Amino acid sequence: AQRVTQPEKLLSVFKGAPVELKCNYSYSGSPELFWYVQYSRQRLQLLLRHISRESIKGFTADLNKGETSFHLKKPFAQEEDSAMYYCALSGGNTDKLIFGTGTRLQVFP
Amino acid sequence: GAGVSQSPSNKVTEKGKDVELRCDPISGHTALYWYRQSLGQGLEFLIYFQGNSAPDKSGLPSDRFSAERTGGSVSTLTIQRTQQEDSAVYLCASSINRGGQPQHFGDGTRLSIL
Repeated sequence: AQRVTQPEKLLSVFKGAPVELKCNYSYSGSPELFWYVQYSRQRLQLLLRHISRESIKGFTADLNKGETSFHLKKPFAQEEDSAMYYCALSGGNTDKLIFGTGTRLQVFP
Repeated sequence: GAGVSQSPSNKVTEKGKDVELRCDPISGHTALYWYRQSLGQGLEFLIYFQGNSAPDKSGLPSDRFSAERTGGSVSTLTIQRTQQEDSAVYLCASSINRGGQPQHFGDGTRLSIL
């Protein structure tokens, strides 16, 4: 079955601390993995995708096929990173997104 | 417009009524998706359009739900005989085509069934 698991509903850190938002997936083929972010009162927007292998706003995510993980990391969290983060995968004939349940990141000053 | 536009932004209706939700995708985007975001359920896929065709309707929860797309552009999601469990935020997304291109989301329609 296709599934995305984000085990943490809430992650709270202080500004400057490292952050890791966990994401594990289950998929029979070769999926595309994404991280989407929703800031307060804003629409859901793409943060990064695994095929780009780029860093956005200091965030990176590496696809680990052996562990079927795509954890999101940032070495030094900022207050403006506070948001809801969703891990998602797509694949097959339609590229529909299968989302995890999301992790709320709170960064305290 | 510059982004995906959805209307209305909020809809409150009585149980049993029909509702129509509208999505205007980014110009030129051939792929269009509807998702539902409800408390405790997260974001769920409903239906996918490529042009005016809907090759994947697997996420529609019941036959009370239907959607169409005309002119390869605007899409309407219709819910008939609404139930309280239909209360959710309905999100529309579009992408330039298939092939793993990122999806761009609208602000959603918050639907509340009394």
